[in-house]
Amino acid sequence: SQKIEQNSEALNIQEGKTATLTCNYTNYSPAYLQWYRQDPGRGPVFLLLIRENEKEKRKERLKVTFDTTLKQSLFHITASQPADSATYLCALELGTYKYIFGTGTRLKVLA
Amino acid sequence: DTGVSQNPRHKITKRGQNVTFRCDPISEHNRLYWYRQTLGQGPEFLTYFQNEAQLEKSRLLSDRFSAERPKGSFSTLEIQRTEQGDSAMYLCASSPSSDPGTEAFFGQGTRLTVV
Repeated sequence: SQKIEQNSEALNIQEGKTATLTCNYTNYSPAYLQWYRQDPGRGPVFLLLIRENEKEKRKERLKVTFDTTLKQSLFHITASQPADSATYLCALELGTYKYIFGTGTRLKVLA
Repeated sequence: DTGVSQNPRHKITKRGQNVTFRCDPISEHNRLYWYRQTLGQGPEFLTYFQNEAQLEKSRLLSDRFSAERPKGSFSTLEIQRTEQGDSAMYLCASSPSSDPGTEAFFGQGTRLTVV
């Protein structure tokens, strides 16, 4: 069956450290992979897009890697801040204009 | 333009009643998506439109659910004969391009509670 798995447990890290979130998928061949941030009671907000032929993408304190052999994407937040506390969702786009989301990982950055 | 707008923000209904939600996408966005999200889960795809054409509908969507996008602008999602299992956040998103991989802009969602 097709699955997208993210860390089901909440991730707690100390302010200033690097947070690393994982997105693993099976039985998909995504052309694109996106990361979104979602705060409680609000819709997801787009953060980064990475294409299947890209290994790494950066935006300010954010970095995404995409390994199509391992079927895995890693999402890093460097110099994390309490304001980074939220749920982070990965989404696969299969070239059919449809986004399939993972379950999300809740991140809490402790001051 | 202030983004994707969804109404109402909250809806409480009795089991068996029909409900309708509205989504106003960002102007000129030709793709519009509906998702459903329950607590602790990611958004689950329901359906999407390219302009006024409904291009795909999830197999998870029962016949009680119907979506429209007349004239390719706003969209409505109707749930007939609501059940307690329909309780969820219903999210609408729009996208500005026909190119795959383009980011989706989400609204604040409509939270449905079926009692």
